[in-house]
This record gives sequence, structure tokens and C-alpha cells, in this order.
Amino acid sequence: ETGVTQTPRHLVMGMTNKKSLKCEQHLGHNAMYWYKQSAKKPLELMFVYNFKEQTENNSVPSRFSPECPNSSHLFLHLHTLQPEDSALYLCASSISGGGPDTQYFGPGTRLTVL
Amino acid sequence: AQSVTQLDSQVPVFEEAPVELRCNYSSSVSVYLFWYVQYPNQGLQLLLKYLSGSTLVESINGFEAEFNKSQTSFHLRKPSVHISDTAEYFCAVIPLTGGGNKLTFGTGTQLKVEL
Repeated sequence: ETGVTQTPRHLVMGMTNKKSLKCEQHLGHNAMYWYKQSAKKPLELMFVYNFKEQTENNSVPSRFSPECPNSSHLFLHLHTLQPEDSALYLCASSISGGGPDTQYFGPGTRLTVL
Repeated sequence: AQSVTQLDSQVPVFEEAPVELRCNYSSSVSVYLFWYVQYPNQGLQLLLKYLSGSTLVESINGFEAEFNKSQTSFHLRKPSVHISDTAEYFCAVIPLTGGGNKLTFGTGTQLKVEL
């Protein structure tokens, strides 16, 4: 596999469920990101990891819990979500070297919260 | 802080016609500028970027964008579109200093190419 992959591609969950989104990058990058894409709104940066350390939490509610066990994998653990959390969740990766990094995106997970 | 405005949410155009997708930004510091494209059911792909040098940048599939510092714009153009260009286009910026790797995106413009 090449590039950035995300699983699952679609997820439907109830408000009391616990689920996880997975992202894997095969590009040798050291920075990974979670974005939320809602209709008619700009992409919202949620979390940033550099060299496995979280460097950005953009005021994201605690019902979203990220995990980055290594530079190639990123998870987003979900629990007690709300219907307004329904969106496309995009993972991205880049080389973190202090410059203007080109971010490479995965195809996203379409999440529906009932 | 930075903000990006894409005034047109949808742009319908006939095949082989020219198109311009507008992008304006606001920032208290200088920025790098990007255009990303999102085809249906896919993630975002980098289309082109301006970092420095010539203000006119081109992509491999015929798109070009010109950085205009005085007008704080980075409009995307193509002289003749193809049906396969149908997608959503996002303009984004990163500040030259202090921004790390945090992209600020616009709301996107849906380009629909019709026969």
C-alpha cells in the first residue's frame, strides 16, 4: 500500500457506542493530523502529532481521543458522540522540518452518529 | 491568525470553457499558499503551491494560480476545463513564521463541468 490509508471508510454508530478510526501512512513522514470536514464549513484541524508527540489540540471535546503509537499510525477513539459530530474525518501526514510541509491526505472516514 | 475566503461555493462551467476560482486571504504575516483538490469519495490532493519566487505557479494538469500580494489573492485558473476536473477545490495558507504546519482552509468551491 502507498500513501495514506484510513479505515473504516464508513462508520455508523449510536451515541453510546465506542469506536476507533485508524490511519496509516506509508510515506516515511513524521507528522500526522486529524481534520474534521463538515458540509459548508472549512476543514477543521483537530490534532497534530510530531514525532509521536501531540503538539496541537484545537479545543477538541474530550469525547474524541487521539493516539499515535508510532510515526506511521494514528488513531481517533470515539465515545459518547453527538449527532453534530457526523462528518468526514480526514487524516493527513507530512514531513515536519519547520518549513511549509505539503500534507498528504487519506480518503477519509464518513462518520454518521445516530 | 489567518483566514481564507472562497467567495464562490459552486461554479458551473461547460467543457472546454475557461474557469477562475477565487481565493482571498487575511493574515498579519506573510504566508505560503496552497490549492488542494478533492475528487468525489477521495481525500484532498495538493494541486499547486506558492512558496517564493515567481508569483505564477502551475500544476501538471493545466491549472495555474497567481499570487497577488497587494490584493491578498491566489486565484486558480484553467483556460480550458475537462469533465474530469469536476471536483471540490480548497485554498489554504500557512504563515511563514510561527505557523508550524497548521493549514488554514477556505470553505471550498465545487467546480462542476458540464458537457
